[in-house]
Amino acid sequence: AQRVTQPEKLLSVFKGAPVELKCNYSYSGSPELFWYVQYSRQRLQLLLRHISRESIKGFTADLNKGETSFHLKKPFAQEEDSAMYYCALSGGSGNTPLVFGKGTRLSVIA
Amino acid sequence: GAGVSQSPSNKVTEKGKDVELRCDPISGHTALYWYRQSLGQGLEFLIYFQGNSAPDKSGLPSDRFSAERTGGSVSTLTIQRTQQEDSAVYLCASSRTGTSVYNEQFFGPGTRLTVL
Repeated sequence: AQRVTQPEKLLSVFKGAPVELKCNYSYSGSPELFWYVQYSRQRLQLLLRHISRESIKGFTADLNKGETSFHLKKPFAQEEDSAMYYCALSGGSGNTPLVFGKGTRLSVIA
Repeated sequence: GAGVSQSPSNKVTEKGKDVELRCDPISGHTALYWYRQSLGQGLEFLIYFQGNSAPDKSGLPSDRFSAERTGGSVSTLTIQRTQQEDSAVYLCASSRTGTSVYNEQFFGPGTRLTVL
């Protein structure tokens, strides 16, 4: 079964401190992993996907197949990073919708 | 350009009533998804439409839930005999061609359903 686990419901950090949002997954094949973000009063939007190996708004995420993790990291948090973050998985078979974690609310304190 | 739109934005109904939620996907997007966002439960997949193929209904929680997509565009999610546990935000998303990992899902603003 496909499962995405985000162990932290809430993460509070001070501005300028490093951030790591944890995500672990369970999938028997080779999954594709994503991070989605929902800022206050905005709709859910894609932040980054692992296949692109990109850095968006200073965030990066590395897929670790050995640990089945896809943690989201940023070296220096900004107040505007405060939002709800969802890790999501796709089976990559071309016919399966995304499986989301329950989300982590990041609060960056000035 | 216009994104995914949903209506109504808020719906309050009484237990036992039927409700219809509407989704207008981005023009040209062939895939359409419905998710439910409940407090503490994250996003749960409900149903998925891809072109003219039969929909994937594997996420629907009960037979009170149904959805249709007319003309490959607008979709309606219907909940019959609503229950209090149906209270949630219902999100619609669309993407260009199915669920290839190269195709981003674009989300609508959601419909907040409250069942009294």
